[in-house]
Amino acid sequence: EAQVTQNPRYLITVTGKKLTVTCSQNMNHEYMSWYRQDPGLGLRQIYYSMNVEVTDKGDVPEGYKVSRKEKRNFPLILESPSPNQTSLYFCASSPNMNTEAFFGQGTRLTVV
Amino acid sequence: AQTVTQSQPEMSVQEAETVTLSCTYDTSESDYYLFWYKQPPSRQMILVIRQEAYKQQNATENRFSVNFQKAAKSFSLKISDSQLGDAAMYFCAYRSPDNYGQNFVFGPGTRLSVLP
Repeated sequence: EAQVTQNPRYLITVTGKKLTVTCSQNMNHEYMSWYRQDPGLGLRQIYYSMNVEVTDKGDVPEGYKVSRKEKRNFPLILESPSPNQTSLYFCASSPNMNTEAFFGQGTRLTVV
Repeated sequence: AQTVTQSQPEMSVQEAETVTLSCTYDTSESDYYLFWYKQPPSRQMILVIRQEAYKQQNATENRFSVNFQKAAKSFSLKISDSQLGDAAMYFCAYRSPDNYGQNFVFGPGTRLSVLP
């Protein structure tokens, strides 16, 4: 089944404790991206990747890192999480920039 | 930078009735794509409908149709014969193939309730 898989679905952590949210797609898509969803703000892009080893900042990159060592994987790294990073996170992929994005199931992150 | 506005934070509709969700966007580009996504309580983002800006004909998917007014930069979603399963958050989204930095832009969403 074609899909984008994120893990974990839920995560509660403490301020400053490094964490990684994994994202994997099995559709051989070139383009992958990360979003955060906050009430009243919709989805905002954190980082995106056009292809392996090519990543760039989106609208809200501060406090986040990403890597794209393989085409299928695009992990999101929070080196030192803070409470303002409490949010719902989505990974998405698409074959190119002319089509819709396919989304993962979302990760609900709470930083206390 | 492109922006997407959804002026209705919440809406409600009676089951079997028709409802229209509004979306406007701001862009200086001529080639782009517009989407409506549905997010039910499961949080999954589900594509409802897409529209290519170069197509004048409005897209339709079963009970879902759009009214695309390119000059007015308006992209409303009409849901006919509303069903209880249509209750969700709906996001309007804009995508430009030429703007790498802000490739996919979402509106703030409209929460739709369906009343039995």
